[in-house]
Order: sequence, then structure tokens, then C-alpha cells
Amino acid sequence: DGGITQSPKYLFRKEGQNVTLSCEQNLNHDAMYWYRQDPGQGLRLIYYSQIVNDFQKGDIAEGYSVSREKKESFPLTVTSAQKNPTAFYLCASSIYDRGTDTQYFGPGTRLTVL
Amino acid sequence: LAKTTQPISMDSYEGQEVNITCSHNNIATNDYITWYQQFPSQGPRFIIQGYKTKVTNEVASLFIPADRKSSTLSLPRVSLSDTAVYYCLVGDGSSNTGKLIFGQGTTLQVKP
Repeated sequence: DGGITQSPKYLFRKEGQNVTLSCEQNLNHDAMYWYRQDPGQGLRLIYYSQIVNDFQKGDIAEGYSVSREKKESFPLTVTSAQKNPTAFYLCASSIYDRGTDTQYFGPGTRLTVL
Repeated sequence: LAKTTQPISMDSYEGQEVNITCSHNNIATNDYITWYQQFPSQGPRFIIQGYKTKVTNEVASLFIPADRKSSTLSLPRVSLSDTAVYYCLVGDGSSNTGKLIFGQGTTLQVKP
């Protein structure tokens, strides 16, 4: 059963705590991405990685960190430096094929800071 | 990166054809046009992608005029389950950055 999995589906965090969101894919895709979505808004890019052991900041990277030690895994850590972390977090992966790079998304993790 | 403009919301009735038009005046030569569908609290789902003219799959059709400054997603005979947010994006397929800009999308409400 191929696809992108994110865990947990819901996550609660106390202020001042770091928390790590999991993203795994078994599609053999090279690139992986993290987005944040706030209510009624579109998606904003946090970080992306085109290859193992390499990643780049997106538009709203402050307060977040990532790692890409394996092709199939791209965990996102929301640090205490993130001022407003309550949001819906989406992970995606893609593979470059015939001139285009289509992203496929996981089910998302909803993070709530208490 | 090219930005897109699409209506904030649309209403339709079951069984009707729905056309959602997206404007992308600054589309680059290498950009593809991609549409996603998103239900509440779920990840966006890829619907269709095209470069020019017309593309059709089992879910939708995508019409792209010769100047590529706009595109129209056509959903035939919508049902209540097609109520969702639809995003139009243009992306640089040549650079392999995969960086897409998601706007607010079009919220489609299908009524019985």
C-alpha cells in the first residue's frame, strides 16, 4: 500500500515545548516538503528537501527545523521559537518526471498549542 | 514564480457542470498548470495537470488557451461530494524546485 503517511493525526503541545511531526513515504520520491495551513488560508512552504542530507528553507522556516537522513523520511520539529505554532501541517513528496514535478500530499497533522 | 487569481467561492447544484477559471498572467514558458482538490482537514489531492490545449482524465478536464494566461477546470456533473476547495497552481517544471504557491483557492459548494 503506497503513499505518504503522517503521524500523529492530532498533536497537543504545551507552550515552550518542542514537538516533532513524522512524515514517511514509500513512493521512492526524491523530494519532500512541509507546508503549514491556517484556517481559511492556502498552504505556505516551511522547508523542502530535494535529496537526502540536503534541505532548503521555504517562506516561513523560522521556528522550525528538519532533517533528511533517509530518502523516505522527512521529520519536522516545531520549536519553542515558533510564535504561533497552532496550525494544520501537511507533508508532500514529488518526483521529477517528463518536465514536471507533481506533489502528492499526506493526510496532515493538526497541532494545537495549549 | 507566477501567481494565480481565482474566484474565492462558487455555488452549484448536483448534476451541473462546473467551470472554475484561474488567471495566471505571468506564467513562464516552462510552467505547468496544476489543480488540486482539498477537503476539510485533509491533504490536497492532485486532480489534473496540463501545459497547453486540453487535458482530460477520469475526474476533470483542463482547458488552456493558446496564450496560457488562464486556465479552466471543468468538473462534469458534480455531486455533493465535490464540495471542496480547489487550488490552481503554476510551477516551474524545469528547475525541479517543486516550489508551488498556494493561494486561497476556490471554495465550491454543491447544493442538492
